Parts: sequence; C-alpha cells; structure tokens
Amino acid sequence: QKEVEQNSGPLSVPEGAIASLNCTYSDRVSQSFFWYRQYSGKSPELIMSIYSNGDKEDGRFTAQLNKASQYVSLLIRDSQPSDSATYLCAVNNRGSTLGRLYFGRGTQLTVWP
Amino acid sequence: DGGITQSPKYLFRKEGQNVTLSCEQNLNHDAMYWYRQDPGQGLRLIYYSQIVNDFQKGDIAEGYSVSREKKESFPLTVTSAQKNPTAFYLCASTDLFSNTEAFFGQGTRLTVV
Repeated sequence: QKEVEQNSGPLSVPEGAIASLNCTYSDRVSQSFFWYRQYSGKSPELIMSIYSNGDKEDGRFTAQLNKASQYVSLLIRDSQPSDSATYLCAVNNRGSTLGRLYFGRGTQLTVWP
Repeated sequence: DGGITQSPKYLFRKEGQNVTLSCEQNLNHDAMYWYRQDPGQGLRLIYYSQIVNDFQKGDIAEGYSVSREKKESFPLTVTSAQKNPTAFYLCASTDLFSNTEAFFGQGTRLTVV
C-alpha cells in the first residue's frame, strides 16, 4: 500500500476558479503534512504546512486536515495561470521512521486564462 | 543566506562511469535526503541520513552510494551499476525534531550520453 496518494490529474480549471487538490495517507501516526508546488524543471517549494485537524488559510491557499479520515487537501481560490504547476503532498511519518518524508506522485494543475 | 546548494546543475555521464553529485547545507539540519524524480513522476527516496556517519537506504538505493562525514554535506554517487540514471536528482534537509518542512536544493539533472 502506498504511503501517500493524490488525486489523479491532470486538473484543469479556468482563471478565477477554485482548484481542489486531495491527498490521503496510510499511517495514522503521521504528524506533519505539507503541500509543495513544483514548476517544470525546478525544485519543490513549500506553500503550506498543517499539523492539526481543521483548516489553515494563507492568502489564496487553504489546507484542510482530517486525521480521522487520513485526508489532507489544498484549495486554491481565485486560481491564476501562475498557479499552473505540479502540487506534491508530503507527510512526515514520525511514527515509523523519524524525519522521513513520504511524497505523493503529484497532481498537475493547469489554470487557463 | 541559509539554504541547500546542489552542484552541478547539469551533469553528463558516460556509460560505465561513476559520478558524484554534491549537496551542502548551512541550515544546521540533522537530516538530509536524496530523491530521484523521473518525468511526470513523484519523488522517490534513494538514501537518507539522520546523523553524521549514519545513513539508511530508501526505496531505490540500488546503484547509488552516499556518505555523511560532515553534518553539512551529503554527496551522492551514481555508480555504473545504476542502469538507468538519467533523471532529476533533488537533495533535501530537515530539522528532525521541530516538525518543519523539508528544504530542497535546486536539483541536478543527470543525463547519460
């Protein structure tokens, strides 16, 4: 069973719409959850981190965590063409191997004008 | 400025040749990681190290070797045993005990010629 799974893409939304990216994880003791954005040919950059159940908002981005359902999501409001990238979900699996991050395969998002 | 530096940015390897990718960090992080990324794929863990002079195999360690002689440095050698080394290689580091995110270097693109 894969540690981290993301909704299959690619995802395409019009400019100004809400983009919804989803991620599930398998290990219940996971404690830290991250969303990274990766432009083609570049390294991932952190856009959101979340550690407790509920919502966390930062500008146009909202991360949602539900540990009971082992589910974390990222909402991008007022999507812009510059948001077009691959989004990677990462989970810090401290329960089994301290510090090891598990990544999903990524969801490619395209925002068209 | 604190960060992670990978070098070189581009690397070409001949068949049967060993090559070493450099990764240096000045963030005082304990843990360092090497990931491989193939086109359209997520990040796959090659090796990771949580402390100097110790490292663990990740999911795809065959054909690779690492060393961790200094806290700041975690070089990756791609050996001739790695039959398909063409990929984008990413080095990352984390602070093991503070739940913070992984910081990434800018990556090295390795091509077999």
